[in-house]
Amino acid sequence: QVHLVESGGGVVQPGRSLRLSCAASGFTFSNYGMHWVRQAPGKGLEWVAVISYDGSNKYYVDSVKGRFSISRDNSKNTLYLQVSSLRTEDTAVYYCARDMEMVTITGPDYWGQGTLVTVSS
Amino acid sequence: DIQMTQSPSTLSASVGDRVTITCRASQSISSWLAWYQQKPGKAPKLLIYKASRLESGVPSRFSGSGSGTEFTLTISSLQPDDFATYYCQHYNSYPYTFGQGTKVDIK
Repeated sequence: QVHLVESGGGVVQPGRSLRLSCAASGFTFSNYGMHWVRQAPGKGLEWVAVISYDGSNKYYVDSVKGRFSISRDNSKNTLYLQVSSLRTEDTAVYYCARDMEMVTITGPDYWGQGTLVTVSS
Repeated sequence: DIQMTQSPSTLSASVGDRVTITCRASQSISSWLAWYQQKPGKAPKLLIYKASRLESGVPSRFSGSGSGTEFTLTISSLQPDDFATYYCQHYNSYPYTFGQGTKVDIK
């Protein structure tokens, strides 16, 4: 079955960077777009970014444009999110999620368990 | 950006109740809407996609309806496992946005 495991979270100072990873298994990773969604403590869900199945298309929410970069390595079945110039308001659980359709981009279906990023001095 | 507004924010109900949650989009999103259920400390779970299509494995007491700007999620007979927070999300155009969530708790 579909399995997504995020890693790379931790405590980081404002202005620093992290790279989040999401290891995928149980499906043909290279056929699906992939999303990152985050959730600040006690708050709702915020869609962050999506990458197409082949990495050729990437879209971001305005609040992270120029600071975050989504990428993927289909040979390693792994999704990444490079988060830079971190701000305290980026503190959240970051979820990776598979798109519900092959090849096209729609919305997420299966989600990982999340990795917590805490931005604090 | 398209804004998604859910109502109510909190809903108190009893087992067996019929529950309806509304989601309104700030502009037409056709039927490009999904509903998710989230329990504390867990990842969201997809319930409904394309406004009214039931995800495989989701109990039939869940149903979705609507198109354009107004959508509803209905639980026909609330079960103990259904106490959770529910989110709508559009996927009509970027950025995809979620509603603020509706918490369903025990009356």
